Amino acid sequence: KQEVTQIPAALSVPEGENLVLNCSFTDSAIYNLQWFRQDPGKGLTSLLLIQSSQREQTSGRLNASLDKSSGRSTLYIAASQPGDSATYLCAVTGGAGSYQLTFGKGTKLSVIP
Amino acid sequence: EAGVAQSPRYKIIEKRQSVAFWCNPISGHATLYWYQQILGQGPKLLIQFQNNGVVDDSQLPKDRFSAERLKGVDSTLKIQPAKLEDSAVYLCASSFTAANYGYTFGSGTRLTVV
Repeated sequence: KQEVTQIPAALSVPEGENLVLNCSFTDSAIYNLQWFRQDPGKGLTSLLLIQSSQREQTSGRLNASLDKSSGRSTLYIAASQPGDSATYLCAVTGGAGSYQLTFGKGTKLSVIP
Repeated sequence: EAGVAQSPRYKIIEKRQSVAFWCNPISGHATLYWYQQILGQGPKLLIQFQNNGVVDDSQLPKDRFSAERLKGVDSTLKIQPAKLEDSAVYLCASSFTAANYGYTFGSGTRLTVV
């Protein structure tokens, strides 16, 4: 059974700081990894999708890396802003022989003005 | 392209009542998923459809939950009777090919059972 762990569970940083969110997964036989953002009471917005053959993806101030063999991914946010405050969820497709999307519990980020 | 549509956005019911949620996936997406997200946790897969067939419903509490996807497009998820622990956000997602394109989620339905 695929398991996804996110560390830390919560993070508070002052505006302007660069930060890293961590994600690990137990079964490296994945098809891809997605990072999502979730605002309170809302659905999930896909931020970045990394295929299993890729090492990283970038979108604006966001950079996600994938080390499939070690079962790790990081999401790097540069020059954080108060609008970045949200819960960030990591999810992998595949592992344990299925196409199921398995989520971590998320990291709740607060960016203080 | 239009996103994944879900309704209603919010629902409050008493325990033992029934409730239904509706999802319209992105046009052309053959795969549709229902997830349950309890406060403070990551979403948990309830059921996966490929066109109108069920691929995985191993985590669906079948004594009270049911889902269908008629004609391989829209889907409904029903709970009957509801329990207090069913209070959660119910998310619908669709994918063209999950392995290559990932998932797109709707805004969710927040269910409160009192």
